[in-house]
Amino acid sequence: NAGVTQTPKFQVLKTGQSMTLQCAQDMNHNSMYWYRQDPGMGLRLIYYSASEGTTDKGEVPNGYNVSRLNKREFSLRLESAAPSQTSVYFCASSGGQISGANVLTFGAGSRLTVL
Amino acid sequence: GDSVTQMEGPVTLSEEAFLTINCTYTATGYPSLFWYVQYPGEGLQLLLKATKADDKGSNKGFEATYRKETTSFHLEKGSVQVSDSAVYFCALSDLGRSNQFYFGTGTSLTVIP
Repeated sequence: NAGVTQTPKFQVLKTGQSMTLQCAQDMNHNSMYWYRQDPGMGLRLIYYSASEGTTDKGEVPNGYNVSRLNKREFSLRLESAAPSQTSVYFCASSGGQISGANVLTFGAGSRLTVL
Repeated sequence: GDSVTQMEGPVTLSEEAFLTINCTYTATGYPSLFWYVQYPGEGLQLLLKATKADDKGSNKGFEATYRKETTSFHLEKGSVQVSDSAVYFCALSDLGRSNQFYFGTGTSLTVIP
């Protein structure tokens, strides 16, 4: 099925470990995003990539790095995980016009726990 | 900057009750407005959208009207079902100014039989 695919779905890390969340979309979208979702905080933008070859910080970029590998793939890296990074992470993409609006399509999410 | 404020939850309703979830926005340009829904354990899905003032978005019995004069985009449904239990997010984007989307904090809805 067409859409946004994230891996892994679940991950447990120890403080200080590193890991990369992978995201790929097959809708030929230009823009890709990483959000984190925490109880009572809604969705907060970590980083986004408006087009291949560009990345920009969002609201909460500290402790994260991203790579827009190509038009399809946008990865999020935690270099030294901290308990405050325990969250559910969502990748999303946009670039398709549905009746004049540019709509976000989300992946299923990656639940990360840092001990 | 641009922002979205939506009513605090959680909201609990009996089946067939009327639903309203309030959403107001702040934007300097002419944003598009969205409602997304998140079912338990899943990602967010687009529920409905509106791209200009007085547009009404609708889907699955839900409706929302883009009110520029009150900067609002309230979500309504005339008769909720148990299957509507989910978290609802109001959002805006103004692609004329940036590629960003701004979300409210979400409103959890539980519908009881």
